[in-house]
Formats: sequence, structure tokens, C-alpha cells
Amino acid sequence: AQTVTQSQPEMSVQEAETVTLSCTYDTSESDYYLFWYKQPPSRQMILVIRQEAYKQQNATENRFSVNFQKAAKSFSLKISDSQLGDAAMYFCAYRSWGGSEKLVFGKGTKLTVNP
Amino acid sequence: AAGVIQSPRHLIKEKRETATLKCYPIPRHDTVYWYQQGPGQDPQFLISFYEKMQSDKGSIPDRFSAQQFSDYHSELNMSSLELGDSALYFCASSSIYETGDTKANYGYTFGSGTRLTVV
Repeated sequence: AQTVTQSQPEMSVQEAETVTLSCTYDTSESDYYLFWYKQPPSRQMILVIRQEAYKQQNATENRFSVNFQKAAKSFSLKISDSQLGDAAMYFCAYRSWGGSEKLVFGKGTKLTVNP
Repeated sequence: AAGVIQSPRHLIKEKRETATLKCYPIPRHDTVYWYQQGPGQDPQFLISFYEKMQSDKGSIPDRFSAQQFSDYHSELNMSSLELGDSALYFCASSSIYETGDTKANYGYTFGSGTRLTVV
């Protein structure tokens, strides 16, 4: 079974600075998807960014980018120019390619943005 | 754009009562997923349906059942409620044809959740 580990229960960053959230995962599969979801106090689950394992290029969405290291099974999220609205719980998630479509989540990292 | 609609948003039930949560997926999405998120926890997969058939099953208690109807909406039925069932219940939907690639079924969209409180 796949597992996702987020080793940082809490992180904080100054507004306009850059922060990196860590995520590692364990799988025997060669094809899969990885995601970062944001859950603000409203509790809505919002997709931040996704990465297909077969793509070597790291995904980027505006101020959000990932560092995907397939061999190391690492998938970190970098948030540049942090904004107050980025404050939320961030979950890293894994999904198989084909087969089960369920998402396996990490325990989450609570990000605080200080003004 | 239409989103995944869940109802009710909040629900308070007493122990041993029954609750029914509803999920209306994005139009043309054929797959529905249910997740349970306890306080301070990560979401846990419960069950999923593709074209009205159960496609996968996770850690769903026997007291819970779910189905997907002909209009693709889904209902999660929870009986003999326990205090530990208090949680946020998310529904998500996706479509295998969302990107035109039959394998690219990664278009998960979550609803806003139903917060169930059992007292």
C-alpha cells in the first residue's frame, strides 16, 4: 500500500518570502500522480498543483512550484512571494495511474503566513 | 462553472440515529468519491462509484452504505451513528474523459463538505 509522509506538522513564513513544504511517499508503482491540496479555514479542499510521475519537468502554477525527485520519492512544494491568503493546511496526496483512483493523503502541514 | 454540490452543509444527529448525505457531481462527471476527515486528521477514502457501480472501497464501516443514482448523484447513508462519526465528509467527482485521454482521470473536484456532528 502507498503511504505519504509530511514531516513538517507546522511551518511559518513571512509575507513575500518563500517557503518549501516537504513530502515523501512510498510506492512500488512506476506510474502515478502526485498532488498538493490546500485546505483553508473554510475547510474547502482546493487543488494547488499536480504532477504526473512520467513527466520529468516539475509542475508550476504561478507562485507554486514543485521539486519532484522520482528516485528519491520526494515531492516538495515551493510557495514564492507568500501571501496572507496562502495560510492554510497543505496536504500532499498520491494517486495510482489506473486501478484504484482513491487519493492517499499525508497528515498535512499547517502553514502560517506572518505579516 | 458548476461545482460539486453537497447537502446539507451541516448536520447534527444524536447517537444511534441515521444520517443521509447527498452529493451532486459536476455535470458529465461519471465518478464520485467519498472521504471522511476527522478533526485534525487527513481525509480518508471511504468509497467510490463509476457509472453507478461501486468501483473501490476503503475504510468504510459496515454501518455506512452508499450508492450512485441514474442522474449520477450519490448518497452516503450512515446508520447507528456513533460519536466517532463526527467529521467532515467530502464528496469529489471526476470524469475519465475530462482531458480526452482515457488514462488522465485525475480531474478530482471536491465539494465543500458536510460537517456531521453526533451528540
